[in-house]
Amino acid sequence: DQQVKQNSPSLSVQEGRISILNCDYTNSMFDYFLWYKKYPAEGPTFLISISSIKDKNEDGRFTVFLNKSAKHLSLHIVPSQPGDSAVYFCAAAFTGFQKLVFGTGTRLLVSP
Amino acid sequence: DTAVSQTPKYLVTQMGNDKSIKCEQNLGHDTMYWYKQDSKKFLKIMFSYNNKELIINETVPNRFSPKSPDKAHLNLHINSLELGDSAVYFCASSQDGSSNSPLHFGNGTRLTVT
Repeated sequence: DQQVKQNSPSLSVQEGRISILNCDYTNSMFDYFLWYKKYPAEGPTFLISISSIKDKNEDGRFTVFLNKSAKHLSLHIVPSQPGDSAVYFCAAAFTGFQKLVFGTGTRLLVSP
Repeated sequence: DTAVSQTPKYLVTQMGNDKSIKCEQNLGHDTMYWYKQDSKKFLKIMFSYNNKELIINETVPNRFSPKSPDKAHLNLHINSLELGDSAVYFCASSQDGSSNSPLHFGNGTRLTVT
């Protein structure tokens, strides 16, 4: 039962353009969402999060959008840089309960 | 100075053996976790400890036994290893175990059971 889905296994973008990574979830009780970035042979690192009381959260080049009615969130990276090339995991949780449910990741490749 | 360190990085062993993976965090966090990433890339929680007390225990075979001697360490011992145990195991920690306290992951231990 895959409660968090990232349907695009990979995405290729040119440097300077926008990268949009998508994530869908099935459990409407999730109320906290996070994005993690993972480089090869390293553990995931926290990138940005959003609570269900918001529909947008921005941190520098990274913005996460949440559409609760569609059970969909997206991560926008503008402008994309080659160093952003990594696997991006979407994760969902219930507030106050640290049991993250992860998607299977999207591999982003940003070419110069 | 690695924040969350786990050893070994690679572990190759035969079916039926017993092995341990060690994890240490120097962030002063209260909560530690073990996650498993299988061949399909699913990253799933196995255990969570808060101040040495077990908080989360997912449906994990009892061949897997976590041990937390203090809040900076959470080791994973696996008995009678099976082929299906082959995966990458990630240790992680967070400040207080709440959902808005980000996880800090180690670099993973790739376990291969032959």
